[in-house]
Amino acid sequence: ETGVTQTPRHLVMGMTNKKSLKCEQHLGHNAMYWYKQSAKKPLELMFVYNFKEQTENNSVPSRFSPECPNSSHLFLHLHTLQPEDSALYLCASSQAPGRQFFGPGTRLTVL
Amino acid sequence: DAKTTQPPSMDCAEGRAANLPCNHSTISGNEYVYWYRQIHSQGPQYIIHGLKNNETNEMASLIITEDRKSSTLILPHATLRDTAVYYCIVRARGGGADGLTFGKGTHLIIQP
Repeated sequence: ETGVTQTPRHLVMGMTNKKSLKCEQHLGHNAMYWYKQSAKKPLELMFVYNFKEQTENNSVPSRFSPECPNSSHLFLHLHTLQPEDSALYLCASSQAPGRQFFGPGTRLTVL
Repeated sequence: DAKTTQPPSMDCAEGRAANLPCNHSTISGNEYVYWYRQIHSQGPQYIIHGLKNNETNEMASLIITEDRKSSTLILPHATLRDTAVYYCIVRARGGGADGLTFGKGTHLIIQP
């Protein structure tokens, strides 16, 4: 247990569906992150939030929409996804730069 | 952030020390070396980090060469549960929240 939880752990959705991934951290951290890990590829940073403000968008397509209502919660809203978006989506939080705590991830399959 | 180079895979016998190398020849003076590992299909886990001195914690030791162009992560008594992909990451520690840049890492396989 890292103090970062993600729900759901597994998600299967069609290309026309709208779904959301949720991340919650109980560590009192100010920064939260979304990463994507496709099969056989390194983790890719998607979004960074610091004190609820988005500070980095790593050229992510608009079909991925993040939301950070407070420092403890982070969402990733999904709509009109493609099969190539199937991946493990990981959330992380940090207080000290460089030392991040990762959740277990959501395994997403887009049909 | 400076680029790192790691061997794609390594084997180690259970109970022996696992020594994982990392080259970071373009590291700059304000950049730290971080190590993470990822057990299959789980989120990455922080292991250790250092600037120029050797560091040790309950998980591992980090040896950084004097010129800081390379480092070695040492797992002193490897167990089967240490089988994972190990990532060496170089980044500056100051200034706000920045994401981590992961490479392909080293797949360490502990053999029984």
